[in-house]
Amino acid sequence: NAGVTQTPKFQVLKTGQSMTLQCAQDMNHEYMSWYRQDPGMGLRLIHYSVGAGITDQGEVPNGYNVSRSTTEDFPLRLLSAAPSQTSVYFCASSYLAGAGTGELFFGEGSRLTVL
Amino acid sequence: GQQVMQIPQYQHVQEGEDFTTYCNSSTTLSNIQWYKQRPGGHPVFLIQLVKSGEVKKQKRLTFQFGEAKKNSSLHITATQTTDVGTYFCAGPGTASKLTFGTGTRLQVTL
Repeated sequence: NAGVTQTPKFQVLKTGQSMTLQCAQDMNHEYMSWYRQDPGMGLRLIHYSVGAGITDQGEVPNGYNVSRSTTEDFPLRLLSAAPSQTSVYFCASSYLAGAGTGELFFGEGSRLTVL
Repeated sequence: GQQVMQIPQYQHVQEGEDFTTYCNSSTTLSNIQWYKQRPGGHPVFLIQLVKSGEVKKQKRLTFQFGEAKKNSSLHITATQTTDVGTYFCAGPGTASKLTFGTGTRLQVTL
């Protein structure tokens, strides 16, 4: 029972570098999303997808790209990393396409530091 | 846009004391969810409330959804050290977006 798998767990980048955070789920969930968590600010939605081929912006999308070519995978790309993107990133999925109508299953998180 | 606020931000209790966190939304919610995040961990779903005035219990945890469906609370009776963590409420906004509250961090000491 893998659930939601995120890689890498830790990453250090230099300003301007690019990278991809990987997220995969094996529960056949239609809904997938990316959140970032910063101290005192809770969880903020970056991007989400209600199914393969469909993505949309969340609350804080700037500086991030996503794609959803398969039901299982939802990678998050940082195009040119900035120190403001230092955060813990969580991928989450749900079996229902409408957020809030089913519980979210979270990955273990990816801690990113941008120097 | 939709805002979900929680109070308090932090609470420190002695083991055995009760604890309550409150969640307030700027808009009416179709439902509300609660999550718990242990230190260093990821959020884990606790419960979902759907009906106006709904009350649900899970052992020592009692969840309430307000009559106007704009607020909710989580009450823990006789806290234990295993209750340590951050508790988040979350409500659906527009277009499949789930908005999380700012969270309440609970510290329990012996």
